[in-house]
Amino acid sequence: GIQVEQSPPDLILQEGANSTLRCNFSDSVNNLQWFHQNPWGQLINLFYIPSGTKQNGRLSATTVATERYSLLYISSSQTTDSGVYFCAVDRGGAQKLVFGQGTRLTINP
Amino acid sequence: DAGVIQSPRHEVTEMGQEVTLRCKPISGHDYLFWYRQTMMRGLELLIYFNNNVPIDDSGMPEDRFSAKMPNASFSTLKIQPSEPRDSAVYFCASSSSGGAGYEQYFGPGTRLTVT
Repeated sequence: GIQVEQSPPDLILQEGANSTLRCNFSDSVNNLQWFHQNPWGQLINLFYIPSGTKQNGRLSATTVATERYSLLYISSSQTTDSGVYFCAVDRGGAQKLVFGQGTRLTINP
Repeated sequence: DAGVIQSPRHEVTEMGQEVTLRCKPISGHDYLFWYRQTMMRGLELLIYFNNNVPIDDSGMPEDRFSAKMPNASFSTLKIQPSEPRDSAVYFCASSSSGGAGYEQYFGPGTRLTVT
């Protein structure tokens, strides 16, 4: 099956810093989503981005489908950005999201 | 619009008991998914439905697990009998084939503890 690798596994930053999270996938995909799992365990949709670039406030994402990777950018980090960020993909319209292992982001005040 | 609704939010039960988790998808969504999250295995898909019909249950761990979707607004995931290794957070998600893509939206999850 398709493999999803996220890096780095852990990231600790000071408030105000910028960060880049990476997601590599092993095959072509029809769907790619970024989620934030907050400290209460809730999975929050950030981006649906099988290709191209999107921005939402301090967050932006880029997927280069031909090279099989996606990047999530967080600018001017806030403590509320802490949590685990997941990338998930599916291929062929099968609707079976495969999740990466996540990047645990800790923003210190 | 209300998001995906799951109940209960927390469940503590003893080994051997039956557990039923419930999910109400977003109105108008025609796909419904059950996922499980554990420390060891991360987030994994158990089963999904399209128009109330189970499409792929290859992720269901064993026969103790069953899922139903009697109508477009309700689904259950049942574990009988439960075992301590079933302890996990179970998420329900839904999506629509009518939009530009198949973005999945997740419920708050049910944290199951089997003692």
